[in-house]
Amino acid sequence: QVQVVESGGGVVQPGRSLRLSCEASGFTFNTHGMHWVRQAPGKGLEWVAVIWYDGKNKSYADSVKGRFTISRDNSKNTLSLQMNSLRAEDAAVYYCARDALQYDISGALDYWGQGSLVTVSS
Amino acid sequence: EIVMTQFPATLSVSPGERATLSCRASQSVSRNLAWHQQKPGQAPRLLIYGASTRATGIPDRFSGSGSGTEFTLTISSLQSEDFAVYYCQQFDDWPLTFGGGTKVEIK
Repeated sequence: QVQVVESGGGVVQPGRSLRLSCEASGFTFNTHGMHWVRQAPGKGLEWVAVIWYDGKNKSYADSVKGRFTISRDNSKNTLSLQMNSLRAEDAAVYYCARDALQYDISGALDYWGQGSLVTVSS
Repeated sequence: EIVMTQFPATLSVSPGERATLSCRASQSVSRNLAWHQQKPGQAPRLLIYGASTRATGIPDRFSGSGSGTEFTLTISSLQSEDFAVYYCQQFDDWPLTFGGGTKVEIK
C-alpha cells in the first residue's frame, strides 16, 4: 500500500537550519510529483512546496521562497525539504503528500504522511 | 492567491443525521476542488477530488458537488468515525490553498 513517512523534525533555534525527509513506498515514486504541506499548532493547512516527478521543476509558497529548498532522490524514493533561516512562524507539523497525477502535477494530494513536528524556539 | 472560505466553522450533528459543509472560492476554480478529512493527531485523508469524485476506499455516504466558486460536501448519515475537521482545497492555480476547515462535532 502507498506509504509516505516523514522524519527529521525537532527543536531548532531561530535563524538555524533543519532538513526534513520523506521516505515513500508502495508506489512508483519517480512517476509522481510530491508536495510539502504544513500545519501550525491548532491552525489550518498551508501548502509549502512541490517538486515534479523528475525533479526538474519546483514551486514554493511566497512565505518560504528563498529559504526552503525541496529536492528528491528517485534512486532512494526519498523527498527532502531543506529549511534555512527558520523563523518562529515556521513552527508546524510538516506533511509530505503525493500528487495524484502521474508524469505531471494536478495539485490533488491523494496520500499524506503522518507528519514531522518542527519547533522553532530559542 | 485564491482564498477559500468554509462555513460553518463548526457543525453540530447527531449520529445518523445529514451534514452539509460549504466551501467558497474567491474566484472560479472550475471543478479543481478537493475535500480532505482530518481527525485529531492524524494526517489529512483525501475524500473527494474533482469536486465530486470519491477517492479510493471512501464510502458512498460522502458526496461532493459544485463548480466555479461554490462547493458542498455532504455526509448523508453521520457515523461515529466521521466526526473530524474537513478542509476544502483548490488545485486550479498556484499556490494551492485550503479553507480554514469545518469541525463536525457530536450534537
